[in-house]
Amino acid sequence: DAGVIQSPRHEVTEMGQEVTLRCKPISGHDYLFWYRQTMMRGLELLIYFNNNVPIDDSGMPEDRFSAKMPNASFSTLKIQPSEPRDSAVYFCASSLAGEETQYFGPGTRLLVL
Amino acid sequence: SQQGEEDPQALSIQEGENATMNCSYKTSINNLQWYRQNSGRGLVHLILIRSNEREKHSGRLRVTLDTSKKSSSLLITASRAADTASYFCAASGGSYIPTFGRGTSLIVHP
Repeated sequence: DAGVIQSPRHEVTEMGQEVTLRCKPISGHDYLFWYRQTMMRGLELLIYFNNNVPIDDSGMPEDRFSAKMPNASFSTLKIQPSEPRDSAVYFCASSLAGEETQYFGPGTRLLVL
Repeated sequence: SQQGEEDPQALSIQEGENATMNCSYKTSINNLQWYRQNSGRGLVHLILIRSNEREKHSGRLRVTLDTSKKSSSLLITASRAADTASYFCAASGGSYIPTFGRGTSLIVHP
């Protein structure tokens, strides 16, 4: 298996622009997680899905952030409009139901100027 | 929150020495996991220990869990330069969704 795939790997954008991050989980996995990692706040869980349904989005920082999972093999995290404080590494992870181990993608390094 | 907190924040040792990292959490857990993150990469699962276990081994890794103290430790024996990475604990409670700590940054000097 190719593992969790994220794109793009790097994104540089200007404040106010829309940013879309993409994730393909491991085939057959039931859970998908979006995390944000910064030096200041560590690894934060933003939202997670079970069978394509959002279960807990309490970690989404504000309305500028939205996430979708239209099917079992694809998810997006969108920031609109982006701000410099959104600069971070965003990770997607997936896991099987009944197993707590999460498999992380390589991350998207976002820089908002 | 089940959040784990690792200690120390940073650890620097020589190759061949043992490295010990600690993790504390706040409430009852079902299991606790340890992950490694190499620079610029995603997290990789190392080992999971359940609440009814006290010790677990995997290669050069030894994990202990003390539920009475709400703490866990990760021991890496005979460390290598390739062990240089950040190490995270992740505690899972009733929801089985792990909550990650801030990590311990380990540097192993050749």
